[in-house]
Amino acid sequence: EPEVTQTPSHQVTQMGQEVILRCVPISNHLYFYWYRQILGQKVEFLVSFYNNEISEKSEIFDDQFSVERPDGSNFTLKIRSTKLEDSAMYFCASSGGAGGEQFFGPGTRLTVL
Amino acid sequence: EDQVTQSPEALRLQEGESSSLNCSYTVSGLRGLFWYRQDPGKGPEFLFTLYSAGEEKEKERLKATLTKKESFLHITAPKPEDSATYLCAVQPNDYKLSFGAGTTVTVRA
Repeated sequence: EPEVTQTPSHQVTQMGQEVILRCVPISNHLYFYWYRQILGQKVEFLVSFYNNEISEKSEIFDDQFSVERPDGSNFTLKIRSTKLEDSAMYFCASSGGAGGEQFFGPGTRLTVL
Repeated sequence: EDQVTQSPEALRLQEGESSSLNCSYTVSGLRGLFWYRQDPGKGPEFLFTLYSAGEEKEKERLKATLTKKESFLHITAPKPEDSATYLCAVQPNDYKLSFGAGTTVTVRA
């Protein structure tokens, strides 16, 4: 069964450093998303990406965040200068169509020290 | 602003003891309502999508229903492996999901 994969599973970084979280969406999906979940809190939408551009972003997704689809299979989230409050689980998701079911990856746990 | 409220926050059941979880929502326009299951430290696992009031979907011991203001997830004769956090999310447009805080279900053998 096709699934979304994410690497690394756990990333530890120092405050102010740049991190790149990687995702491989389901192969025939066209819509890609990043969400995050701070420990004990709700899953929060960050950004959606379609046709090589951002289709929607939340207030959380400020200038320190960027997304990219560098090739036909990978989808990345970059955080330019990490802050303590960026510590969270980051989930990638993909869907086959607009408004369709979103399938989530296992997540990357980001710890900022 | 979209609001999704799930109740109860936690539910402890005996194996075989059926129950229901509630998801009430306020959204400007509902494209779809989604139910997910989340195990500790894992990503949400898709269960159901409901698109219109009156719609019902079933999968094994789970059944989801939708009205104009809320959705219910019924768990019939639960087993310990049904223990998880169940998340409800609304989709107001083609893209983002707005999640509730979830109901954590614990089923004791």
